[in-house]
Amino acid sequence: KNEVEQSPQNLTAQEGEFITINCSYSVGISALHWLQQHPGGGIVSLFMLSSGKKKHGRLIATINIQEKHSSLHITASHPRDSAVYICAVWATDKLIFGTGTRLQVFP
Amino acid sequence: EADIYQTPRYLVIGTGKKITLECSQTMGHDKMYWYQQDPGMELHLIHYSYGVNSTEKGDLSSESTVSRIRTEHFPLTLESARPSHTSQYLCASSDLAGRTDTQYFGPGTRLTVL
Repeated sequence: KNEVEQSPQNLTAQEGEFITINCSYSVGISALHWLQQHPGGGIVSLFMLSSGKKKHGRLIATINIQEKHSSLHITASHPRDSAVYICAVWATDKLIFGTGTRLQVFP
Repeated sequence: EADIYQTPRYLVIGTGKKITLECSQTMGHDKMYWYQQDPGMELHLIHYSYGVNSTEKGDLSSESTVSRIRTEHFPLTLESARPSHTSQYLCASSDLAGRTDTQYFGPGTRLTVL
């Protein structure tokens, strides 16, 4: 069993829909990253959080340390949001990555 | 926008060749990392460095080697490439400001060994 699990693995949506991607982890962490990987392979860090909630534009990330769970929400989704979204946790000085959620948003 | 560069972006080579994947960053970051990612799979740390003349192996066993002679440069070398080395290699860097700092990723090198 992976130490970082994401769901769903694949997600399709119509433009404008509200999207939620979930991440659960089984190890003690000091922080959690949400990353976005586009088809070309480049990775962009979206959020790093250790408690509560962060918002950036149409993206919202929440974390519940007690439940070892984080969610990434996208409001008013757009085709340019199509990418792989990766959850990664900082545990004992290293990042442990989930396998990612592939999101496709259709016009 | 992060200033971290990788070359080449794509490389197709034959078995047995020696190759070096380049990674450079202009942010003055002390920490640098190499990750390997197979299609549809998670990233795995293969090497990291906390500064000049510091290199460590990561979690995933790798036949590659790295060097860190200058802060901005962290090349990865395969002495004799094999088809099992076919993968995407991602370089990243971060400040040494804290244990949980944001990593900035390069665009990746997609390597195919025939």
